[in-house]
Amino acid sequence: KQEVTQIPAALSVPEGENLVLNCSFTDSAIYNLQWFRQDPGKGLTSLLLIQSSQREQTSGRLNASLDKSSGRSTLYIAASQPGDSATYLCAVRRRGSQGNLIFGKGTKLSVKP
Amino acid sequence: DAGVIQSPRHEVTEMGQEVTLRCKPISGHNSLFWYRQTMMRGLELLIYFNNNVPIDDSGMPEDRFSAKMPNASFSTLKIQPSEPRDSAVYFCASSLGDSNEFFGPGTRLTVL
Repeated sequence: KQEVTQIPAALSVPEGENLVLNCSFTDSAIYNLQWFRQDPGKGLTSLLLIQSSQREQTSGRLNASLDKSSGRSTLYIAASQPGDSATYLCAVRRRGSQGNLIFGKGTKLSVKP
Repeated sequence: DAGVIQSPRHEVTEMGQEVTLRCKPISGHNSLFWYRQTMMRGLELLIYFNNNVPIDDSGMPEDRFSAKMPNASFSTLKIQPSEPRDSAVYFCASSLGDSNEFFGPGTRLTVL
């Protein structure tokens, strides 16, 4: 059974710092991996999607990496800003394009001005 | 496009009452997902549809839960009878094929 773990559960950093959020999964037979952002009381917004054949994806100050063999992904946020404060969720889609997403419980990030 | 639309945004009901949550996916999307989010269990898939057909309902907790998708632009999730442990935020999401899933704003359900 696929399990997704995110460490740490919460993280507080001063503005301007670079930071890394971690995600691990138990079954490497994944189709793709996604990172989402969730603001309080809101739905999820997809940030980056990495196909199983890819190593990383970048969007602006965000860079996500994928090491399928070791069951790990990282989300790197450069030059963090208070507006980055949110909960970040990692999710994997099992092999087979109709497979559903399995989510981690998220890392709650707080960026202090 | 307005994105995924869910209604109501908040629902407070008493134990034993029937609850119906509604979702309008993004036009053109052919997959629709219902998720439940709680502090204890995080975000869990309840059921998903592809081309209006239920593909995997293994996440539906009990027979009290049922979901329908009568057409490509509408889906409902019904809980009958509701119980306090059903209190959670229920999200609907849609996608086209295996592309990004787009989430609605959620329905916060409180069962007293």
